[in-house]
Amino acid sequence: DGGITQSPKYLFRKEGQNVTLSCEQNLNHDAMYWYRQDPGQGLRLIYYSQIVNDFQKGDIAEGYSVSREKKESFPLTVTSAQKNPTAFYLCASSIGSRSHTFGSGTRLTVV
Amino acid sequence: GENVEQHPSTLSVQEGDSAVIKCTYSDSASNYFPWYKQELGKGPQLIIDIRSNVGEKKDQRIAVTLNKTAKHFSLHITETQPEDSAVYFCAARYSGGGADGLTFGKGTHLIIQP
Repeated sequence: DGGITQSPKYLFRKEGQNVTLSCEQNLNHDAMYWYRQDPGQGLRLIYYSQIVNDFQKGDIAEGYSVSREKKESFPLTVTSAQKNPTAFYLCASSIGSRSHTFGSGTRLTVV
Repeated sequence: GENVEQHPSTLSVQEGDSAVIKCTYSDSASNYFPWYKQELGKGPQLIIDIRSNVGEKKDQRIAVTLNKTAKHFSLHITETQPEDSAVYFCAARYSGGGADGLTFGKGTHLIIQP
């Protein structure tokens, strides 16, 4: 079945560490996105990529980095520069002007 | 940039009654308005969407209306059932160019009382 797979489901990070969240899709979608979700805040766009080897900053890109070396993969790195990384992270993809298909999310907690 | 306001933040209705969630947007260039349902611990799932050349769209118990002049759109759920309990998000996007991200409202927690 086609879909988006995010891993891990739960991730714990120590202060000062970088961590990478995985996102893989087999929908043959061109565009991929990363959103951050905090309680009562809705979803906020971190980065998006319309095509391989190209990506753009969203509304809250500071402290995050991404890469898009393959069409199927769009990993997100949460760097030590992100001062408040505890959140639920959602990856999505889309094709053309159609709506997003979301993954099941990764919950990141700083310990 | 786009700004989307969503109300109410929490909505409690009796099973079988109707529920209405309202959103307003700021960018008149936005032309695509999806609605998502999110269950606890899961990613959002698209339930219905509407484009700016249409005023209303219906899918069984769910309908969405769009007023471009007033820049607001609403989700209507009729004959609510316990499985409708979830958080609902509206979103807006200009889709005339590249595949930019969606701007989301802050969500409505819908509670269906038995």
